[in-house]
Amino acid sequence: DGGITQSPKYLFRKEGQNVTLSCEQNLNHDAMYWYRQDPGQGLRLIYYSQIVNDFQKGDIAEGYSVSREKKESFPLTVTSAQKNPTAFYLCASRDSSLFLSDTQYFGPGTRLTVL
Amino acid sequence: AQKITQTQPGMFVQEKEAVTLDCTYDTSDQSYGLFWYKQPSSGEMIFLIYQGSYDEQNATEGRYSLNFQKARKSANLVISASQLGDSAMYFCAMRGNTNAGKSTFGDGTTLTVKP
Repeated sequence: DGGITQSPKYLFRKEGQNVTLSCEQNLNHDAMYWYRQDPGQGLRLIYYSQIVNDFQKGDIAEGYSVSREKKESFPLTVTSAQKNPTAFYLCASRDSSLFLSDTQYFGPGTRLTVL
Repeated sequence: AQKITQTQPGMFVQEKEAVTLDCTYDTSDQSYGLFWYKQPSSGEMIFLIYQGSYDEQNATEGRYSLNFQKARKSANLVISASQLGDSAMYFCAMRGNTNAGKSTFGDGTTLTVKP
């Protein structure tokens, strides 16, 4: 089955710790995205990558870092510099960044709680 | 810059009736795409329907249709014959040709279907 997997589903972190959220896709998509969602709100773009070894900051990149060493993987690290990291994190991928009609496919999400 | 506005934080509809969820957008791009997603309480994001800015006909997908009025910059989602399983949060999103890598999401509308 093709799709996007995110792990873990729930993650607890102590203040001051870095934590890495996993995102893997087997859809052979070029583009991958990380979004943050706070309760009752929409999605805000953290980082996105349109090709391997390249990525761009989104609207709320401060306190986050990413890497794109492989086409299928786009891990997100939430650093201790992120002041309010408790949120729901969604990873998405898209076939190509060239065509407007290509929809994004989303993973099941990771719920991060800072204790 | 792009902006999506969803003015209805919450909507109620009786089972088997139709409901319209509002979405207005703003963009300086000549070519753009509009998307609607459904997010159940589980958190996954499900793609529902797409409308291109140059599409002459309104998009339809089963019980979902998109009422696209380009001059008014609106892209309302119409759900016909509502079902209990339609209860969820619904997001309108857009992507423009000047930065096809990025999508902008609205804050969402929570739809509750009453039996």
